[in-house]
Amino acid sequence: DGGITQSPKYLFRKEGQNVTLSCEQNLNHDAMYWYRQDPGQGLRLIYYSQIVNDFQKGDIAEGYSVSREKKESFPLTVTSAQKNPTAFYLCASSSEGQGASLTKTIQYFGAGTRLSVL
Amino acid sequence: QKEVEQNSGPLSVPEGAIASLNCTYSDRGSQSFFWYRQYSGKSPELIMSIYSNGDKEDGRFTAQLNKASQYVSLLIRDSQPSDSATYLCAVKPGGQNFVFGPGTRLSVLP
Repeated sequence: DGGITQSPKYLFRKEGQNVTLSCEQNLNHDAMYWYRQDPGQGLRLIYYSQIVNDFQKGDIAEGYSVSREKKESFPLTVTSAQKNPTAFYLCASSSEGQGASLTKTIQYFGAGTRLSVL
Repeated sequence: QKEVEQNSGPLSVPEGAIASLNCTYSDRGSQSFFWYRQYSGKSPELIMSIYSNGDKEDGRFTAQLNKASQYVSLLIRDSQPSDSATYLCAVKPGGQNFVFGPGTRLSVLP
């Protein structure tokens, strides 16, 4: 059953603590993304990765870190430097295509992780 | 900065009516266009993709693209209460990341 798995579904962070959100995909997609969504707001890009061992900052990378050691996995760490981490975090993946393969350029989402501060 | 704009709503329509959702984008180099539906507390799910000018129909949904006007729309025919959700427009400029609009909240009234 192909898809994107995010865990945990709910996560609580204490003051000064780093927490890691897991994202695993078995779609054989090259690109993976992390978004943050605040209540009533759109999606904001935190980090993205087009290939293994390479990733780029998005629009709101401060206070976050990622790694891409395997094609299937793209974990996100919310560090203590992120002062307002309460949000809904979404992981996505896509298979990049050009020209006749444009139909492959679709982004799919995991179920999300809801992070709150204790 | 590349932008995607949508009316935030809420857009309210009676059950059985046609709901029309609109989206404009700023980057003329955009090649791929998507509509996602997001129920409250859930993640976005893809409902339509469109890549060339004109209409694309899938069941009760029709996506319309006009690249000259930089405009993409989604029509939902025979709207049902289960269609009540936030609809996100997403645009992908060639070789660049997806850009999402803020979403339009649709409410279908029984």
